[in-house]
Amino acid sequence: AQSVSQHNHHVILSEAASLELGCNYSYGGTVNLFWYVQYPGQHLQLLLKYFSGDPLVKGIKGFEAEFIKSKFSFNLRKPSVQWSDTAEYFCALSSGGSYIPTFGRGTSLIVHP
Amino acid sequence: EAGVAQSPRYKIIEKRQSVAFWCNPISGHATLYWYQQILGQGPKLLIQFQNNGVVDDSQLPKDRFSAERLKGVDSTLKIQPAKLEDSAVYLCASSPYGGLEKLFFGSGTQLSVL
Repeated sequence: AQSVSQHNHHVILSEAASLELGCNYSYGGTVNLFWYVQYPGQHLQLLLKYFSGDPLVKGIKGFEAEFIKSKFSFNLRKPSVQWSDTAEYFCALSSGGSYIPTFGRGTSLIVHP
Repeated sequence: EAGVAQSPRYKIIEKRQSVAFWCNPISGHATLYWYQQILGQGPKLLIQFQNNGVVDDSQLPKDRFSAERLKGVDSTLKIQPAKLEDSAVYLCASSPYGGLEKLFFGSGTQLSVL
């Protein structure tokens, strides 16, 4: 069975600080990986995704993530966060024949101005 | 384009009562998902439809939860009878190509069971 782990449940940063949110998954085969974001009062939306090819993927709003197959990881990064990045971030994966998306428990990010 | 529509936005019921949620996916999206998101946790899949057929309902508590997607468009999720632990946000999502592509989420229905 596939699973996703997000080890940082709450992260508090000041504006301009660098961000890295951890995501590890458990599945032995080919995976598709996603980061979703939920801003306060809004619905979940896609930040970026990895299917194949270049393991460094870039998403919206300056976010990027790196797929490291040997570490079963797909960490999310941003070099300089803004107050508007305050949100809940979810890592997700789909794999296997059914490609049913499985989500991690999420990381709450608070950015102080 | 119009997004995924869900109603109601909020619902408060007492335990052992029944409740139903409605979802209208983005036009043309074949795949529809219902997720349950308990406070402090990530979304957990309850059921996935492909058109009007069920792809996966392995995590749906079938003794109390039921879902249908008539004509492959709108969907309803029902809980009967509700328990305290059913308090959660129920999210509907749709996708044109299933899990191979991104999901489009609705705003969710926040259920409180008292």
